[in-house]
Amino acid sequence: DVQLVESGGGLVQPGGSLRLSCSASGFTFTNHALHWVRQAPGKGLEYVSTINSNGGSAFYADSVKGRFTISRDNFKNTLFLQMTNLRVDDTALYFCVKEDCARVGCYVDYWGQGVVVTVSA
Amino acid sequence: IVLTQSPDFQSVTPKEKVTITCRASQSIGINLHWYQQKPNQSPKVVIKYTSQSVSGVPSRFSGSGSGTNFTLNIDSLEVEDAATYYCHQSRSLPWTFGQGTKVEIK
Repeated sequence: DVQLVESGGGLVQPGGSLRLSCSASGFTFTNHALHWVRQAPGKGLEYVSTINSNGGSAFYADSVKGRFTISRDNFKNTLFLQMTNLRVDDTALYFCVKEDCARVGCYVDYWGQGVVVTVSA
Repeated sequence: IVLTQSPDFQSVTPKEKVTITCRASQSIGINLHWYQQKPNQSPKVVIKYTSQSVSGVPSRFSGSGSGTNFTLNIDSLEVEDAATYYCHQSRSLPWTFGQGTKVEIK
């Protein structure tokens, strides 16, 4: 079974840093791009970042560009999100998600359980 | 690409039909997917690529549309279908999601 298990969340002050991890299993890690999606308390889903299968290409939402860095370790089947200069509005549940792709495109077939990040003084 | 769902909230009696629409600000082909999220759970896909069924999802869920206008239908709503539903476009990065439609059981 596919499993995506996030860790590394917590409470941090504005301007602080956190590093999220997502340990993956149950699929061929190196075959898939991976993404982070977040959900602020009581709000909807918001795209954060994408990294391609070999880690050579990344994309970011404007709201996190320049502050967050996505990376992956294809030997340890782990996805990361380094978050710096955190702001109160980064407070959210952060999901690690896996995509599945066909000729026409891709969609999210698995979501992790999420990890909570709280930015507060 | 902005996705706008309608309605934001729907209160429905069991066995009624539910229709949720999602409009995209530009054409996205069939790269539109629907997710169901129950309280304190991660989202799960219920329809992929506009109209394709997903293994394990009841057949009362169906989708249609193309280009900029899409619809999720739930025929004969069951109590377990109470959730928030999101549309999602994967046509181009950044991915975007609709604001969500909360379906409540009357």
